[in-house]
Amino acid sequence: AQSVAQPEDQVNVAEGNPLTVKCTYSVSGNPYLFWYVQYPNRGLQFLLKYITGDNLVKGSYGFEAEFNKSQTSFHLKKPSALVSDSALYFCAVRVISGNTPLVFGKGTRLSVIA
Amino acid sequence: GAGVSQSPRYKVAKRGQDVALRCDPISGHVSLFWYQQALGQGPEFLTYFQNEAQLDKSGLPSDRFFAERPEGSVSTLKIQRTQQEDSAVYLCASSPGGSQPQHFGDGTRLSIL
Repeated sequence: AQSVAQPEDQVNVAEGNPLTVKCTYSVSGNPYLFWYVQYPNRGLQFLLKYITGDNLVKGSYGFEAEFNKSQTSFHLKKPSALVSDSALYFCAVRVISGNTPLVFGKGTRLSVIA
Repeated sequence: GAGVSQSPRYKVAKRGQDVALRCDPISGHVSLFWYQQALGQGPEFLTYFQNEAQLDKSGLPSDRFFAERPEGSVSTLKIQRTQQEDSAVYLCASSPGGSQPQHFGDGTRLSIL
């Protein structure tokens, strides 16, 4: 069975500072990993994905994530946070075989303070 | 529009009523997923279609939940004899398949009184 853990319910960071939102996963087999962002009363917006290749993947709005197979982690990062980055962030995993559904973490609320 | 469209955006129903939620996926996307998102939680899988075939319905919480996609495009999630625990946001997502990401609609917020 697949699972995702986002250990922090809330992350607070000052505008202009780097941010990290943590994610660890458990899956049988090779994973596809995703980050999504959710604004109030909206659906999830795709940020980035890891399929294969370079462990550092770059996505939308200046976000990036680092895949670490030994630590089964896929932490989301941004070098300089903006107030507009404040939202709910979800990490998700699925196995490579077939077109299987995503398994999501419970989400981390990011607050960027001016 | 270019995105996934869901209607209605908000639905209020009395306990025991039947409801139907609609999803218009991105044109050409063969895969369609339904998820349920409870307040303060991540989305949880309900069911999956590839074209008109429902390939996985293991996440449907009871036989009161039924989904269809008869022509391989628009999908409807139906909940019969609604209960208060059915109150949630229901999200639809579509994908071209393979390693491509799923694209989500804005969801339908269902409130059962």
